[in-house]
Amino acid sequence: GENVEQHPSTLSVQEGDSAVIKCTYSDSASNYFPWYKQELGKRPQLIIDIRSNVGEKKDQRIAVTLNKTAKHFSLHITETQPEDSAVYFCAASANSGGSNYKLTFGKGTLLTVNP
Amino acid sequence: DSGVTQTPKHLITATGQRVTLRCSPRSGDLSVYWYQQSLDQGLQFLIQYYNGEERAKGNILERFSAQQFPDLHSELNLSSLELGDSALYFCASSVAHRGNEQFFGPGTRLTVL
Repeated sequence: GENVEQHPSTLSVQEGDSAVIKCTYSDSASNYFPWYKQELGKRPQLIIDIRSNVGEKKDQRIAVTLNKTAKHFSLHITETQPEDSAVYFCAASANSGGSNYKLTFGKGTLLTVNP
Repeated sequence: DSGVTQTPKHLITATGQRVTLRCSPRSGDLSVYWYQQSLDQGLQFLIQYYNGEERAKGNILERFSAQQFPDLHSELNLSSLELGDSALYFCASSVAHRGNEQFFGPGTRLTVL
């Protein structure tokens, strides 16, 4: 089955700096890569996603890049703000047939943005 | 608000007991996924239903079962509960034929004493 590795497990940055979180996946059939943000005790919220036919996607201060050959993808947050502090999860999904799009998650990165 | 609802928000019970967690997907979504989140295991996929039928199983224990009803809401049943079952249980829904985006409910925090 799919295995997703995520690094680093914790990341501390100063407000205004950039933050980068990296993930690798094992299943070459994976074709969908979402990123979720989870605040303490709350639900994971989808913040950006990318499909395997695209190399990069940007949404305001957030961008995601995908390297299919190397099987890795990254989340980039620019001009970080204290409200960006949360746990970020990457995930990978492959359609294994029968409308199954289960997500395999990385272990998460605790991002702390210091004012 | 994702449009996915879950009840109850919190559940405290004793070992050996049985509980039922309920999830209502977003309007129009046919797929429901259940995930377990614990500190040591992270977010783990349990089971998926699509339009009433089981589609995939993940790391779901035999003591756990689920179903999806004709109105598309889903229930996750946990029996013979153990201390280690204490976790956050999330359901997520998606419109399968439109892609993979999954939207999570607020979760049910289960505490087994």
